[in-house]
Amino acid sequence: SAVISQKPSRDICQRGTSLTIQCQVDSQVTMMFWYRQQPGQSLTLIATANQGSEATYESGFVIDKFPISRPNLTFSTLTVSNMSPEDSSIYLCSALPGLTTDTQYFGPGTRLTVL
Amino acid sequence: GNSVTQMEGPVTLSEEAFLTINCTYTATGYPSLFWYVQYPGEGLQLLLKATKADDKGSNKGFEATYRKETTSFHLEKGSVQVSDSAVYFCALSDRNYGQNFVFGPGTRLSVLP
Repeated sequence: SAVISQKPSRDICQRGTSLTIQCQVDSQVTMMFWYRQQPGQSLTLIATANQGSEATYESGFVIDKFPISRPNLTFSTLTVSNMSPEDSSIYLCSALPGLTTDTQYFGPGTRLTVL
Repeated sequence: GNSVTQMEGPVTLSEEAFLTINCTYTATGYPSLFWYVQYPGEGLQLLLKATKADDKGSNKGFEATYRKETTSFHLEKGSVQVSDSAVYFCALSDRNYGQNFVFGPGTRLSVLP
């Protein structure tokens, strides 16, 4: 398994600013993912964070809006850029420990409110 | 593509009632199936999983059986508690799609004392 922490746990931001969310895993993992959960909704995959290369984005999400870094096998960041109230959501980081495993483990989430 | 359908909520039960949350899936391969639980203000926690047909996942009194013939993975608990109040997500992982998960819409459960 993997234990995942996220910072910050919540934030209130002004329109037009950017916020970087950090995700730390307690062990080296093969794959890391970022999800968005809008109020009362299910999870939507934003991107897969690839170690040492550019993230792989899902349809509807672009690098300019959601730049992602993954400098090593235990850490990743997601930036929400030029925020608008529509970006108010919970952002969740998850990890897949190994390619032969099929269980994703999730962080506690970052609750973002944009005014 | 792959998809997961869950019964719509919210579901409201009295303490010690029997719980069933229906989940059906569509997948082209041989997925693993999961139930995750999200307590208020928290992230998702793995509740149970099953990786092949007829497997039964169980944890904390919850059970679900992987039924390939009906493409279902219904969640059950014989006697719910107030502390079980949460949102429950059914999900699948298909190795043919790079381990990415597909989540159902979630079912909110409220258990009243």
